[in-house]
Amino acid sequence: SQTIHQWPATLVQPVGSPLSLECTVEGTSNPNLYWYRQAAGRGLQLLFYSVGIGQISSEVPQNLSASRPQDRQFILSSKKLLLSDSGFYLCAWSVISYNEQFFGPGTRLTVL
Amino acid sequence: AQSVTQPDIHITVSEGASLELRCNYSYGATPYLFWYVQSPGQGLQLLLKYFSGDTLVQGIKGFEAEFKRSQSSFNLRKPSVHWSDAAEYFCAVGEGNNDMRFGAGTRLTVKP
Repeated sequence: SQTIHQWPATLVQPVGSPLSLECTVEGTSNPNLYWYRQAAGRGLQLLFYSVGIGQISSEVPQNLSASRPQDRQFILSSKKLLLSDSGFYLCAWSVISYNEQFFGPGTRLTVL
Repeated sequence: AQSVTQPDIHITVSEGASLELRCNYSYGATPYLFWYVQSPGQGLQLLLKYFSGDTLVQGIKGFEAEFKRSQSSFNLRKPSVHWSDAAEYFCAVGEGNNDMRFGAGTRLTVKP
């Protein structure tokens, strides 16, 4: 069966520090991968999606970036965090773009 | 432009009462339709989905949803709400080569 992992579960970082969140999927090949952010009390904001290794599409311009170094690994990064980067970050995968997405447990990021 | 609308930001119902959460979409063709539930601090879990066929779809945890093409709606229902149903609910729509889009979410509070 397929599983999706995210780490860390929680993270507290100072403003201006770098960020690296990791997401890995098991039990499937060549998945579509997604990064979402939820600000407090807000809905899901799609940040990045990837249909293959090295292929990244950005939905929203910002100081975050994403990379897909391996088929089932998706990394969200920042060189310098902003206060506004605080939120709940969710990784998800799907077999095809318009079909069901499966979500990881999320990472709670607090930028102080 | 494609859009998904959940008109109700927050709904409060008494335990044992019936529930209906609204979802409307704006897409060119018949899309793929989903409802997800998110408990606090957790990832999203799929409740049900509609691709084709019978317009009344049964899901997990006693939920159902009905696709009404004429109204471009996919409302979620439950005949009797339990305290454990308190959560955030997201409607999502996918179509063709486009990635899935999520509504802003409806937060459900259940009164004892």
